[in-house]
Amino acid sequence: DAKTTQPTSMDCAEGRAANLPCNHSTISGNEYVYWYRQIHSQGPQYIIHGLKNNETNEMASLIITEDRKSSTLILPHATLRDTAVYYCIVVYGGATNKLIFGTGTLLAVQP
Amino acid sequence: GAVVSQHPSRVICKSGTSVKIECRSLDFQATTMFWYRQFPKQSLMLMATSNEGSKATYEQGVEKDKFLINHASLTLSTLTVTSAHPEDSSFYICSAGPVRGGSYEQYFGPGTRLTVT
Repeated sequence: DAKTTQPTSMDCAEGRAANLPCNHSTISGNEYVYWYRQIHSQGPQYIIHGLKNNETNEMASLIITEDRKSSTLILPHATLRDTAVYYCIVVYGGATNKLIFGTGTLLAVQP
Repeated sequence: GAVVSQHPSRVICKSGTSVKIECRSLDFQATTMFWYRQFPKQSLMLMATSNEGSKATYEQGVEKDKFLINHASLTLSTLTVTSAHPEDSSFYICSAGPVRGGSYEQYFGPGTRLTVT
């Protein structure tokens, strides 16, 4: 079973920041938080991952709380092409191990 | 970034026949490949994990004799749906990772839509 909880859906205005929350209250010390997204009828796309420090790359930022029980994915300037289902996944020891997908959050970016 | 391809992208077959789906890592070698299935409006469900040169590990409830997985090299894995039935119609997606000597994220193929008539 997925070890994360995410809202079913969210809306965001184009050009604004999209903040997607994820709860992972049972995460253990050697488990990473990974984020992927899936645009309709395509394979999932890797976004970002982290262990305990905040991370930023060209796509997004990942903010992990100090107790590691929750995290937030931030898309700084959402565009219509960011409309997708976003999955937060807890993975033991990095992506060498399998990904168990939950239901994810459908982010709808509105013009 | 690393690219994973799948072939075919879409396939229609008759009930009772077998269908083979290929998954290739195009510009990297992957120690492990994964196969997922996704029904409409549902999340991805992991079917099996395959490592090059060894037998695949199937998730609970997935019939290994029905979904044959072969992982012949570090860049190719195949999934064969044997004696396909209409309920096997689904979107099949593979992933590969980690990149040998590189990062740890998995890279997904574009998926194969199987329709069994």
